[in-house]
Amino acid sequence: GAVVSQHPSRVICKSGTSVKIECRSLDFQATTMFWYRQFPKQSLMLMATSNEGSKATYEQGVEKDKFLINHASLTLSTLTVTSAHPEDSSFYICSARDDRGGRANQPQHFGDGTRLSIL
Amino acid sequence: SQQGEEDPQALSIQEGENATMNCSYKTSINNLQWYRQNSGRGLVHLILIRSNEREKHSGRLRVTLDTSKKSSSLLITASRAADTASYFCATDTYTGANSKLTFGKGITLSVRP
Repeated sequence: GAVVSQHPSRVICKSGTSVKIECRSLDFQATTMFWYRQFPKQSLMLMATSNEGSKATYEQGVEKDKFLINHASLTLSTLTVTSAHPEDSSFYICSARDDRGGRANQPQHFGDGTRLSIL
Repeated sequence: SQQGEEDPQALSIQEGENATMNCSYKTSINNLQWYRQNSGRGLVHLILIRSNEREKHSGRLRVTLDTSKKSSSLLITASRAADTASYFCATDTYTGANSKLTFGKGITLSVRP
């Protein structure tokens, strides 16, 4: 159980293109979803937290107009990198958590990540 | 900012040996979690230990938590080549309405067949 599907797994595109990444919880309801960025051989840096039906909360230093997050349903969140540039190239990972009923101490379940390469 | 700091940064052991990884953190936590990441993949949740727990087991995994020292350890017993991966500790803390994870830099574990 607790499977998170992230798509696509790899994207290569030209500078200036906008790229959308999808994150789906397949067998549970994800009241909260998270988007992370990971550079090679480094830790995961939280970009933003999204709750179903409300605006995402962005971490300090993350441009919300650059990284658009939508969490329209309990099973789907999307991250759109707008007008991507080479410095946006990275490994993006989503995770999902079921916090229904105010349950605390729940683990996050991660997708397999998206390798984004901007030429 | 980095919350969890793992130690050592890299560990190489022989198959069958035990692997011990440590994590230290700085602030109060709700719980501490350990994750595994294979190269180029997402993270797999291994075990969660709550702030009021001291030890937890799951199969070949044993996690301890010492909140007075703000430290945790992950022990993998009877290691296998398939355990080769990066291991991260992550601390769960409340920030307003949500709780979020802050990850350490990770430990690279190599298990030699």
